[in-house]
Formats: sequence, structure tokens, C-alpha cells
Amino acid sequence: AQSVSQHNHHVILSEAASLELGCNYSYGGTVNLFWYVQYPGQHLQLLLKYFSGDPLVKGIKGFEAEFIKSKFSFNLRKPSVQWSDTAEYFCAVSLSYNTDKLIFGTGTRLQVFP
Amino acid sequence: GAVVSQHPSWVICKSGTSVKIECRSLDFQATTMFWYRQFPKQSLMLMATSNEGSKATYEQGVEKDKFLINHASLTLSTLTVTSAHPEDSSFYICSARAVEVRTGEAFFGQGTRLTVV
Repeated sequence: AQSVSQHNHHVILSEAASLELGCNYSYGGTVNLFWYVQYPGQHLQLLLKYFSGDPLVKGIKGFEAEFIKSKFSFNLRKPSVQWSDTAEYFCAVSLSYNTDKLIFGTGTRLQVFP
Repeated sequence: GAVVSQHPSWVICKSGTSVKIECRSLDFQATTMFWYRQFPKQSLMLMATSNEGSKATYEQGVEKDKFLINHASLTLSTLTVTSAHPEDSSFYICSARAVEVRTGEAFFGQGTRLTVV
């Protein structure tokens, strides 16, 4: 069965540090890739998405992600985090033959200290 | 941006009773809504997909007679947990996809924490 792995369950950083959150998926076909963020007490929000084209995707709030097909990865990056980036981050995949179904990773909790 | 509202945010019920959770798209029409369940420290698992005016499509292993889904209008879907038991305690999240939005992109509600005692 298809799955999404987020290996970092909890990440603690100081402000201005660089961030990279890993996301790997298991599926050999065409996929759509997403990163969602959930700030404390708020809804899940779309951070960025990849459907096709340039594998380096830029999202909101300075985040970007790179799709590396050969590694089945879609890692999230930010060069300099802020305290306000403290949140839970979820990677998700939908498959080309069933785009209704989002398959989520277990999430990564990011804590940024000033 | 598009807003999806879920009600209630949390509910405690007695074992054997039924609980209804509402999911509303406030400023857009949603032909498709999705219901997820999240256990502690686990990922969101899709339970079912509901399309306005038709029966919901349930994922494998989800009991459709236990988790009743109704999508009666383009802005409202409801999930009813019937004869709830403590093992149904979980975090339930809905999402809604607007008619014109592309593959998989949807807007999420804030979730409902159900505790069955």
C-alpha cells in the first residue's frame, strides 16, 4: 500500500536556523505532492504543492520544497526560521489515478525558540 | 481564503449514544467533502469521500453503518458516529474541495475531538 514517511517527528530549532523536513513516499507512479501546516489551535493550511513542472516549488512564508523523483522525496526547506513557524507540518500525496485521496505522513512538530 | 467550519470542536458522549459532527464550507461551494480520522501521534486517515447528492464512498475497513455521512447541500456534510464506543474516541477532521480547485487541494476544518466515556 502507498505510504508517506516523515522521519523527523519533533524538531527544535533556534530562530534564524535553517530547516529541512524530510518526506518520502512509496509509489512508483505519478503523484501530486503537498505540504500542510497546522499552527496551534488552527486549521490545516496548504503551504505549497507540486503537480508538475519545476521540481523546486516555492510556497508561502518563505518555504520551499524540492521534488526528487529518483529519491521519492519532497523535502520542505526554509533558510531561516522564525518563532512564528512553530507548528505541525504534514506532508501529503495524492495519486494520479485517485486524486481525491490524500495520503498523509504522521507529521513533524517544529518548535522554534527565540 | 476559503473557510471550512466544523462543529462542534469537541464533544464528550456516553457509550452507546450517537454523535453528529457538521462540516460547512462558508464561502464556497463544495461538491466533494472528505472525512478524516486522526489517532494520537498518527497520520490523518481518510475515512470517506462524500459527494453532494450521492452516497459517500468509504475507505476499506471503515464501517459505513457506524459512520453515517450525509452531504445534503453544496455547503454542508455531516458525520454521525452511531452507537459510539470508547474506541471511537479520536480526532475527526473534514475537508472540502471547491468545484474549480484542482486535484487533491482542499480546505480543512479545525477538527472535532470526540471522547466516548
